Amino acid sequence: DQQVKQNSPSLSVQEGRISILNCDYTNSMFDYFLWYKKYPAEGPTFLISISSIKDKNEDGRFTVFLNKSAKHLSLHIVPSQPGDSAVYFCAAASGSARQLTFGSGTQLTVLP
Amino acid sequence: DAGVTQSPTHLIKTRGQQVTLRCSPKSGHDTVSWYQQALGQGPQFIFQYYEEEERQRGNFPDRFSGHQFPNYSSELNVNALLLGDSALYLCASSLLSASYNEQFFGPGTRLTVL
Repeated sequence: DQQVKQNSPSLSVQEGRISILNCDYTNSMFDYFLWYKKYPAEGPTFLISISSIKDKNEDGRFTVFLNKSAKHLSLHIVPSQPGDSAVYFCAAASGSARQLTFGSGTQLTVLP
Repeated sequence: DAGVTQSPTHLIKTRGQQVTLRCSPKSGHDTVSWYQQALGQGPQFIFQYYEEEERQRGNFPDRFSGHQFPNYSSELNVNALLLGDSALYLCASSLLSASYNEQFFGPGTRLTVL
């Protein structure tokens, strides 16, 4: 049973436009959410996070939105750059549990 | 600072064999977590080690075991390998007291079971 789902395996956008990556979760105990970026032959690197007490967190070109009632979060990248091309993973955690539950990832390709 | 390092980079084994993967955490970190990433999937939590003890465990059989040494480095052992154990194995290190976003991942070990 997938508790964190990323239903779009891939996404292509033009350089300069907005990239929107989506993530849904089923476990209402999750209270902290993260986005990771992964390049080939490298480990995932932390990008941005949001606590369940917030509905938006912004860091430069990256913004994460959380809709708790819909159990949905999204990552917005504006403007998108070719260097943003990577696999993006959504991850969730709950309370004192120190483990992360990941989605299956979305391959973002930013076209020049 | 070398960050999180893992060895070997790639490994090929046959069914029924045993394998040991190694992880050196980022300098100053005391906690190591292991994840399995199957092809086309996200990383799946195996277990976490702190103070040389397994603190949390995901939904993995006892064939998967680990160890943490006094210098905080860690090993992941998998016995009686199955074809389905073929995956990228990721190690992540952090301070136990740190926030989730302060967990750093290594590049992984690619295990192929034939």
